[in-house]
Amino acid sequence: NAGVTQTPKFQVLKTGQSMTLQCAQDMNHNSMYWYRQDPGMGLRLIYYSASEGTTDKGEVPNGYNVSRLNKREFSLRLESAAPSQTSVYFCASSLSGPNEQFFGPGTRLTVL
Amino acid sequence: KNEVEQSPQNLTAQEGEFITINCSYSVGISALHWLQQHPGGGIVSLFMLSSGKKKHGRLIATINIQEKHSSLHITASHPRDSAVYICAVRPRDDKIIFGKGTRLHILP
Repeated sequence: NAGVTQTPKFQVLKTGQSMTLQCAQDMNHNSMYWYRQDPGMGLRLIYYSASEGTTDKGEVPNGYNVSRLNKREFSLRLESAAPSQTSVYFCASSLSGPNEQFFGPGTRLTVL
Repeated sequence: KNEVEQSPQNLTAQEGEFITINCSYSVGISALHWLQQHPGGGIVSLFMLSSGKKKHGRLIATINIQEKHSSLHITASHPRDSAVYICAVRPRDDKIIFGKGTRLHILP
């Protein structure tokens, strides 16, 4: 089992460009999450999906959209990247609700 | 005020020392998580607990629900334990609130 995979690992964008971060899990988990991690701050929830077909905003959703394509895949889209979105992005999944979360390796995004 | 506070923020110790990292929180929770983030960036879940104490190898996690406090202990610390340790709490919904982490450095 690969666990949680993310692509790409690194990305550099110019302000205004768009891109989609991909996340997939092979553990048959119901819940999936997107976080960002910035220096000096804890992980912050961008969006989450409690089950296939549902998505909800987290703490910092502005500037992002998500798609829960199927049970395995949960993508994060930046429609018009801004320097403030420079961060490390982590995808995670859990069986459901109050269960252990499994994290992907992260995507380091720089917006110039 | 942050809902999850960790102390210390940074800790340097000698190999073999007993390590304690503390986590205090201000919200009602259904569970508390301890995570480890290695210098390469990967995040691994160490414990999830809602009461009492859990042990895995040299790591022990405790929680006191009434005092809204948890501790992570490492016995016989080793340089490979050097990492950032993150406390996270789960209020009574599907979200998690993370602390800022404690950076631990174990010297050989």
